[in-house]
Amino acid sequence: DAGVIQSPRHEVTEMGQEVTLRCKPISGHDYLFWYRQTMMRGLELLIYFNNNVPIDDSGMPEDRFSAKMPNASFSTLKIQPSEPRDSAVYFCASSFDDRGGEQYFGPGTRLTVT
Amino acid sequence: AQSVTQLDSQVPVFEEAPVELRCNYSSSVSVYLFWYVQYPNQGLQLLLKYLSGSTLVKGINGFEAEFNKSQTSFHLRKPSVHISDTAEYFCAVRKTGTASKLTFGTGTRLQVTL
Repeated sequence: DAGVIQSPRHEVTEMGQEVTLRCKPISGHDYLFWYRQTMMRGLELLIYFNNNVPIDDSGMPEDRFSAKMPNASFSTLKIQPSEPRDSAVYFCASSFDDRGGEQYFGPGTRLTVT
Repeated sequence: AQSVTQLDSQVPVFEEAPVELRCNYSSSVSVYLFWYVQYPNQGLQLLLKYLSGSTLVKGINGFEAEFNKSQTSFHLRKPSVHISDTAEYFCAVRKTGTASKLTFGTGTRLQVTL
């Protein structure tokens, strides 16, 4: 398996623009997680899905952030409008068993909002 | 809620020396414990995990960790480090059972030099 795939790897955009980050989980995994990593706040869980259904979105910073999982092999994280403070590395991870199952992380998307 | 404390933000060590990275957690319920490693510009990779059973857990790359329930600790150790072990190490905790969040510590930067 190719592992968790994220695109783009790098994104530079201007404040106010819409940003869409994409994730393809490992086939067969039924949990998908979106994390954000910054120097100030470390790793934060934004939202996670089980069988394409959002289970916990309490980490989503505000209404500008939204995430969807239309099918088992694809998820998006959208920021609209983007702000400079959204600059971070966004990771997607997937796992097949929430009861202690390992989370497999993608390589991340480095987002820079100017 | 669970929390994780990694007291050391940076740990410098010479090659072939032993190392211990400290992790303490707080939780009112039973937990699973994890150590992840992040190499530069990469996602996180699982080193080892404690779910139940033996309190001494062995992981990849010669690392091991010991779960100490009375001290609520899960310190990571390696008897002899290599330059290639230079990376960021994250301790993480989640409560047992279904659909629970993985809470990460702030990370420890291990810097191995000659």
